[in-house]
Amino acid sequence: GQSLEQPSEVTAVEGAIVQINCTYQTSGFYGLSWYQQHDGGAPTFLSYNALDGLEETGRFSSFLSRSDSYGYLLLQELQMKDSASYFCAVRSGKAAGNKLTFGGGTRVLVKP
Amino acid sequence: DTEVTQTPKHLVMGMTNKKSLKCEQHMGHRAMYWYKQKAKKPPELMFVYSYEKLSINESVPSRFSPECPNSSLLNLHLHALQPEDSALYLCASSQFDSPAYNEQFFGPGTRLTVL
Repeated sequence: GQSLEQPSEVTAVEGAIVQINCTYQTSGFYGLSWYQQHDGGAPTFLSYNALDGLEETGRFSSFLSRSDSYGYLLLQELQMKDSASYFCAVRSGKAAGNKLTFGGGTRVLVKP
Repeated sequence: DTEVTQTPKHLVMGMTNKKSLKCEQHMGHRAMYWYKQKAKKPPELMFVYSYEKLSINESVPSRFSPECPNSSLLNLHLHALQPEDSALYLCASSQFDSPAYNEQFFGPGTRLTVL
């Protein structure tokens, strides 16, 4: 089976940097994804790491260490609109028809 | 068109009703998904369709019946639901081939209330 652990909540001020950690235990690992979900909205894809290292997309970066079963999402230059829930997710198999399992989610609250 | 649409946005139904949720995408995605999401919880996978065939059923009760009439449409038929089935039902789609399948596109969801 799959299990993913991430902090439940993080609070930070505008302009700050937030790191959301995700540790996972999986029977098969095919990459770590991150999704953002605003209250009342749909999850939206942020990033995907299949290999070790850092992937940067604008103000957001994602890191993976497969040997440590660990990844993180880094949110830089925080803006009020970044207040949302962030989910890490892993896939159980190679094909698209395989299951994507989400972590419990980290609620990020950005204060002025 | 990079959008997944879902209808209706809100649905209130009694335990004896039969209703259907609809999902549509025109991105040429051949993998489509139904998720259930309770408040302050992550999405939980219910069903996966790959090339219009059911590939995963996460031991979902038979009162939920999925259907994929064609490559653009996904339905979820509801019958004899329980109040605990009240949740946000999300549809998603993705490319089938690696690595693009890792990006799932979610619809806005149907908020279901069972009385």
